[in-house]
Amino acid sequence: DGGITQSPKYLFRKEGQNVTLSCEQNLNHDAMYWYRQDPGQGLRLIYYSQIVNDFQKGDIAEGYSVSREKKESFPLTVTSAQKNPTAFYLCACRLGGELFFGEGSRLTVL
Amino acid sequence: GENVEQHPSTLSVQEGDSAVIKCTYSDSASNYFPWYKQELGKRPQLIIDIRSNVGEKKDQRIAVTLNKTAKHFSLHITETQPEDSAVYFCAAPVARQFYFGTGTSLTVIP
Repeated sequence: DGGITQSPKYLFRKEGQNVTLSCEQNLNHDAMYWYRQDPGQGLRLIYYSQIVNDFQKGDIAEGYSVSREKKESFPLTVTSAQKNPTAFYLCACRLGGELFFGEGSRLTVL
Repeated sequence: GENVEQHPSTLSVQEGDSAVIKCTYSDSASNYFPWYKQELGKRPQLIIDIRSNVGEKKDQRIAVTLNKTAKHFSLHITETQPEDSAVYFCAAPVARQFYFGTGTSLTVIP
């Protein structure tokens, strides 16, 4: 069954710790995206990647890092440099004009 | 980059009434305008889209209109039902980036 999978669904982190969110897709799409969702602020673009070994910063990349070593994988690391990391994170892949989203990962920093 | 503004941020309607959500965009290069629906606790999903070579597109109770000159597009939902309650996002992809509006929380009151 084709799709895009994010893990973990819920994650708690202490201040000062890095955490990596997983995003895997078997849709064979080239383009992948990471968004952050906060109440009342819509979906803000963190990073995107059009092809393996290439990625670009979005509007709010500070404090985040990504890698794209394989077509099907686009992990996001939330570093300790991110000042307000508590949020809902959505990964998506794109075919033509349509984005297909994962179910999201909710990160809470304690 | 693209600036997408969406209004209103919240909208309540009686069941059976119509709902209209409006978006404006800034980049005249945008030529594809999708709308996504996000039900509570779920991932956003594409519900309808329109390309710049048409002015209106309908799919059962939902429709989207586009005014390229004024740089705005709207989502129209007729005969609203409780299951239409959700957050709706407009988007205006430009090149390889995918910018979203801030979302409209629609509540349909039975």
